[in-house]
Amino acid sequence: QVQLVESGGGVVQPGRSLRLSCAASGFTFSNYAMHWIRQAPGKGLEWVAVITHDGSGKYYADSVRGRFTISRDISKNTYLQLSSLTAEDTAIYYCARDDPSGQGDYWGQGTLVTVSS
Amino acid sequence: DVVMTQSPLSLPVTLGQPASISCRSSQSLVHGDGNTYLNWFQQRPGQSPRRLIYKISNRDSGVPDRFSGSGSDTDFTLKISRVEAEDVGVYYCMQGSHWPPYTFGQGTKLEIK
Repeated sequence: QVQLVESGGGVVQPGRSLRLSCAASGFTFSNYAMHWIRQAPGKGLEWVAVITHDGSGKYYADSVRGRFTISRDISKNTYLQLSSLTAEDTAIYYCARDDPSGQGDYWGQGTLVTVSS
Repeated sequence: DVVMTQSPLSLPVTLGQPASISCRSSQSLVHGDGNTYLNWFQQRPGQSPRRLIYKISNRDSGVPDRFSGSGSDTDFTLKISRVEAEDVGVYYCMQGSHWPPYTFGQGTKLEIK
């Protein structure tokens, strides 16, 4: 069955960096684009970034462009490198699969990033 | 950017009664390929979001048939024919027709009256 498992979250100081990982299983990873979506405490969902199935295309929300970098490898992992973090980046970060029928047919359980001094 | 506007933001419903959530987009969601990439997600308390509906009206596998989606162009609706206790949570619409960015509605919190 399809599984997405995020890791790498934690407490980080403002201005520092963190790398999140999303491990995929149960499907042919190289056929699917992958998203990162976040949710600040008590708030709604905010799309962060997407990477195409082959890694050739990477797109970002304005709020993170230039600070976050999405990437993927052939070992079925999707990454999100977070840099120059601020308190506004505090959120649960979810990875989600992009299906040809639409976006977000499978989601991971999320990983919490807390930016605090 | 496409702005997605949901209403109501809070929806108290009696068990067994119907519920309806509206989602409006700031521009037509018809994609160049002819499809309309409008999704509905459910987020139960303490859980990850789960997709219920894709391309306006297609139910995902395992989604009860009491959930239905309809609409076109800029105006979309999620309906629950008879609300059950397990339906409590927040519902989001999301557009994937004009990106980046993909955009979500603010969320509608469904609770039992």
